[in-house]
Amino acid sequence: EIVLTQSPGTLSLSPGERGTLSCRASQTISTSYLAWYQQKPGQAPRLLIYGTSRRATGIPDRFSGSGSGTDFTLTISRLEPEDSAVYYCQNYVTSIFTFGGGTKVEIK
Amino acid sequence: EVQLVQSGAEVKRPGESLKIFCKASGYSFTNYWFGWVRQMPGKGLEWMGIIYPGDSDTRYSPSFEGQVTISVDKSISTAYLQWRSLKASDSAIYYCATGPQVYFDTWGQGTLVTVSP
Repeated sequence: EIVLTQSPGTLSLSPGERGTLSCRASQTISTSYLAWYQQKPGQAPRLLIYGTSRRATGIPDRFSGSGSGTDFTLTISRLEPEDSAVYYCQNYVTSIFTFGGGTKVEIK
Repeated sequence: EVQLVQSGAEVKRPGESLKIFCKASGYSFTNYWFGWVRQMPGKGLEWMGIIYPGDSDTRYSPSFEGQVTISVDKSISTAYLQWRSLKASDSAIYYCATGPQVYFDTWGQGTLVTVSP
């Protein structure tokens, strides 16, 4: 079973700063099967990125994804107050989905 | 517009049964995988299982196999999540979601289930 470890647990940054969120897999995974979600308090998760680097419909271009092998990154280039949320990575392999534990992004 | 609308909040006693639903609209229900995700209070997302409405092919997370049943009714574009005997530890928000097999691009609003004596 693949385990996804996200770091840091909490990221506290000011508006306009760059945020870098990490997702590390316990074994090599396909870039086609790595996605990122954003969840704001009291809301359902929202798909941000799929296939490691493809932005979902309506997602601003300040969100970008990259990575390969076991190391994947979600970058928020210029943080805005509405980006305050928990971010989860997700993998799919052989009919099994796995979520990472999440990174909370706080805007100072 | 693709939309998933879930049933309302439930309050149950331990040992009771429960079936919650998620009604889809705005797309071809039988062509996309349907999943259920649990979120316990203050915790992260846990994938429970997926079903392909076209043929009811169902896969469960090992953590939830035997604990819940996922099903669909194609005639009314609705998916279900069912428990035979609830436990206090089943208290959580349950989300339905749909999309291509490998990720979920549309989510329901969530159903809060509270299990308390």
